[in-house]
Amino acid sequence: GAGVSQSPSNKVTEKGKDVELRCDPISGHTALYWYRQRLGQGLEFLIYFQGNSAPDKSGLPSDRFSAERTGESVSTLTIQRTQQEDSAVYLCASSLLGGTEQFFGPGTRLTVL
Amino acid sequence: AQSVTQLDSQVPVFEEAPVELRCNYSSSVSVYLFWYVQYPNQGLQLLLKYLSGSTLVKGINGFEAEFNKSQTSFHLRKPSVHISDTAEYFCAVSGKGAQKLVFGQGTRLTINP
Repeated sequence: GAGVSQSPSNKVTEKGKDVELRCDPISGHTALYWYRQRLGQGLEFLIYFQGNSAPDKSGLPSDRFSAERTGESVSTLTIQRTQQEDSAVYLCASSLLGGTEQFFGPGTRLTVL
Repeated sequence: AQSVTQLDSQVPVFEEAPVELRCNYSSSVSVYLFWYVQYPNQGLQLLLKYLSGSTLVKGINGFEAEFNKSQTSFHLRKPSVHISDTAEYFCAVSGKGAQKLVFGQGTRLTINP
């Protein structure tokens, strides 16, 4: 079946512009996660959605970052007024309710010039 | 809160040699432990996971890991590596009942012929 998909695969933007990154989870997966992977580093947790519960936003690095999820489907991560330090690969993952395995998408590589 | 330390940022080995990638974690609560692999230009894929029970866990592609609670370690091993094992390997931890993963910095495994 289809895995987690993300779009765009690459995004180049200018400092100060807003960007939107999209994630389509695996059908039936109620949990959705966003992570950030800076060059040469591990993944940092950003935000977690689980069904209709309030999202866990504890990993968002600043108020320039926000995310939404429509029901149990698509999620959008928005970065406002992008900075060069936002350059990274943004990864989305999904899992079943109560599941321990997260399935990752291919990521969106964001470059802020 | 949890943290993960991968002691080696890079590990070069010869083909058909054994390899061990080290991972130590810190947590005040019981945890689940994971190893993910990221092949060049691909997304993350789960290699194996420890949830409970036997401390020796076998995963895909001939890898195994051993959970050592007293040493708070979860080292990954393979008795004989192949060129195709060239990738970045990430150790991760989550609290039981918590969903977000905390990742180590990654270990780049390079296989030389």
